[in-house]
Order: sequence, then structure tokens, then C-alpha cells
Amino acid sequence: GAGVSQSPRYKVAKRGQDVALRCDPISGHVSLFWYQQALGQGPEFLTYFQNEAQLDKSGLPSDRFFAERPEGSVSTLKIQRTQQEDSAVYLCASSLGRDEQFFGPGTRLTVL
Amino acid sequence: TQLLEQSPQFLSIQEGENLTVYCNSSSVFSSLQWYRQEPGEGPVLLVTVVTGGEVKKLKRLTFQFGDARKDSSLHITAAQPGDTGLYLCAGDRENSGGSNYKLTFGKGTLLTVNP
Repeated sequence: GAGVSQSPRYKVAKRGQDVALRCDPISGHVSLFWYQQALGQGPEFLTYFQNEAQLDKSGLPSDRFFAERPEGSVSTLKIQRTQQEDSAVYLCASSLGRDEQFFGPGTRLTVL
Repeated sequence: TQLLEQSPQFLSIQEGENLTVYCNSSSVFSSLQWYRQEPGEGPVLLVTVVTGGEVKKLKRLTFQFGDARKDSSLHITAAQPGDTGLYLCAGDRENSGGSNYKLTFGKGTLLTVNP
């Protein structure tokens, strides 16, 4: 069966550009998570959705980061006016509920 | 300050050797999970431990959760090149508002098993 997919896999942006990262969770998974993984670090929690409701956005580093999941399936993480410190791998994960999270392959964002 | 400290950060061994990696914290966790992450991929769950003192075995991998639920270890017997990867521990902190979802990850142990 299909796992979590993310697109694009790689994104290069010039500083100041806006980017949009897409996550397609496993079909039927209620919960969706975004994590940021900097080089040499473990993933850090950004935000959590239950269906279309964003229940926790405490990990978003600034108001330049925005996530949505309007129909409770596909999610988009948008970063406005990208900065070099935004360079990282952005991981999406989904789960049926409060159980195992299945991770996608990530989007590697490089901001020049 | 890293909530979950993993050690060692890097480990390079020969095929057939045994190894142990550690995950330590000053906080109590409701559960701890171990993941393996390969380059260009997301983490894949290996095991979840929930009871203090619990030991779980998965083929050549043995996972232990500390009695006080503040630390965990992963032991690999007779390591193989296919075990190469980044091993991450992650926990659901007790008293995290009952979230049961906000995982806190360590930085990981990068394991290389040479043939």
C-alpha cells in the first residue's frame, strides 16, 4: 500500500522567496504531523492536525510558517520570505490516531 | 538543552560486532520509541516501550526501558552492514498535557557497520 508521500523531494529557494511543501498522508489517517530536521539533528515537532483542525502549532518557529489541511487529507506547509536558517528537511507523518506515526521521505529545503 | 541525550553520536564498527546505544533524559516519559532513519528517508519505527524495566527483542535488536522511565538502550548483536543508519529515540513526555502525540526526538546515533 502507498505510504506517506511528500513533494517536492528537493527545493532550492533564494532568500526571501515563498515556498510550499506538500504532504499526502496515508489514506484514512486522521492525524498529520509536520517536523523539521536540521542537519545532524533529530526531527523537531512543528504542528499537528486532527482531520482539518490544527490542534497544535506550538512548534512553528515564526509567523512566516503556516500549515493547512483544508479537507482533512493533503496538507501544505508554507514558508514565507525564506531565510537561510530555514534550510532543513521537512518531514510529514500521519497516523490513525494516537498510535504509530508513519513518516514520509521528507522535503529537503535549501535556502541560498 | 537537549531533552533526550543520545550517545554515542557516531559509531563505526565491523560486521559481527555487538554494540549498545543509549538514550537518557532527566524527564520521565510515558513511552519511548526507537526509530531507524536511512539517508533520504523518513524515520521508521522499530519499537515502542511503555513499562519501566521493559525489555523487548526484535531479532538481533534488544531494547530496554529504564525502571524510572527516564532512559533506554538499544543493543545490537552481531551487527550487519544492513544495520547502518541513524538510530533515533523519541519520547512522549509524561505530563505533556495528555497529548500522546508530541514526540521529542534525540539527535540520534549514526551507526556505520563495515563489511
